[in-house]
Amino acid sequence: RKEVEQDPGPFNVPEGATVAFNCTYSNSASQSFFWYRQDCRKEPKLLMSVYSSGNEDGRFTAQLNRASQYISLLIRDSKLSDSATYLCVVSLTGGGNKLTFGTGTQLKVEL
Amino acid sequence: GAVVSQHPSRVICKSGTSVKIECRSLDFQATTMFWYRQFPKQSLMLMATSNEGSKATYEQGVEKDKFLINHASLTLSTLTVTSAHPEDSSFYICSARAGATNTEAFFGQGTRLTVV
Repeated sequence: RKEVEQDPGPFNVPEGATVAFNCTYSNSASQSFFWYRQDCRKEPKLLMSVYSSGNEDGRFTAQLNRASQYISLLIRDSKLSDSATYLCVVSLTGGGNKLTFGTGTQLKVEL
Repeated sequence: GAVVSQHPSRVICKSGTSVKIECRSLDFQATTMFWYRQFPKQSLMLMATSNEGSKATYEQGVEKDKFLINHASLTLSTLTVTSAHPEDSSFYICSARAGATNTEAFFGQGTRLTVV
């Protein structure tokens, strides 16, 4: 079983749609959780950290369920510029330590 | 945010030669740097962790004699792929953090290595 599992997609959605991505992780000792965004052939960039209480940053909302070892990302009012691969990332300690990446979920926002 | 510069961004080399990739933290001192590798349609996989002034810690299955890591200063880490083979062709990315484990790690732009 992979340490971090994601549906690879692609998710093709129209502009303005709401889309949700899910992720599960296998190591219950994981302490830190993140969503990264990776554009084609580029380095990953931190989108947001994920907290147990859930957190929101503009059109993006992240949720964490420790009991189910499940993380989600919701994107509202999708923009063309949101097209990218979204990586679910976990760490046993903090975000500056060893990160374990999922394979990513590809999102394509279309006109 | 902090800037991590990786060079070169793209390199093509002949089989059997060695390639050096540099990772620099431009506006902070990086006590720890990480080297990842990403094959097409796969996730980033950590290869090794390097701490300034000490030997790198390699992940299981990564050959330390093939992937030489040097972290001689707080702003520079290098990864040398020795005796490269076509199966080493991949996207190599470094990341660096400034301080404690709960501080964010910043990624370099990545190096696309093609061995012919």
